[in-house]
Amino acid sequence: AQSVTQPDIHITVSEGASLELRCNYSYGATPYLFWYVQSPGQGLQLLLKYFSGDTLVQGIKGFEAEFKRSQSSFNLRKPSVHWSDAAEYFCAVAPYNQGGKLIFGQGTELSVKP
Amino acid sequence: KAGVTQTPRYLIKTRGQQVTLSCSPISGHRSVSWYQQTPGQGLQFLFEYFSETQRNKGNFPGRFSGRQFSNSRSEMNVSTLELGDSALYLCASSSGQDPTDTQYFGPGTRLTVL
Repeated sequence: AQSVTQPDIHITVSEGASLELRCNYSYGATPYLFWYVQSPGQGLQLLLKYFSGDTLVQGIKGFEAEFKRSQSSFNLRKPSVHWSDAAEYFCAVAPYNQGGKLIFGQGTELSVKP
Repeated sequence: KAGVTQTPRYLIKTRGQQVTLSCSPISGHRSVSWYQQTPGQGLQFLFEYFSETQRNKGNFPGRFSGRQFSNSRSEMNVSTLELGDSALYLCASSSGQDPTDTQYFGPGTRLTVL
């Protein structure tokens, strides 16, 4: 069965430091992968997605992610974190041929220290 | 373009009652998906409607049902509410043509069951 694992439940980084959030997926075929962000009291906003082509994907708000098939990973990175990046981040996979269904990881809560 | 709207934003019900939540997708979108978000289980897919037909369904009991109208607006109904149904219910809309389509999420309906 398809699944997504985000090993880190909570991460704290200092403002200005770099960030990497981990995501591992379990899926037989080429996965369609997404990163979403959820601020308190808000819905989810898409940061970026990957479905083919260049394995380094650029997204909004200065985020990028790299797809590594050999490691079944799709880690999210940002070179310099801002206080406004504090939120919960979700990695998700869209199973092939299952319409709009997304399978989400458990999420990683990001705190930013001043 | 107006985003996805959900009504009501907050709801308090008692065990045994039933509840109906509403979701209005982005204009032109034909797919609406519903998700339940809880601290323990995370984000779980409930079902997806596309052009008034349920296209996909998650692993939830039959107490959870939905429908979609000709204008793509969708409703979700939960009958015989249980304490464990307390959650944030999110809906997402997309064009529904391809699994790589971006899904746009609404702010959610916070349901509390007492």
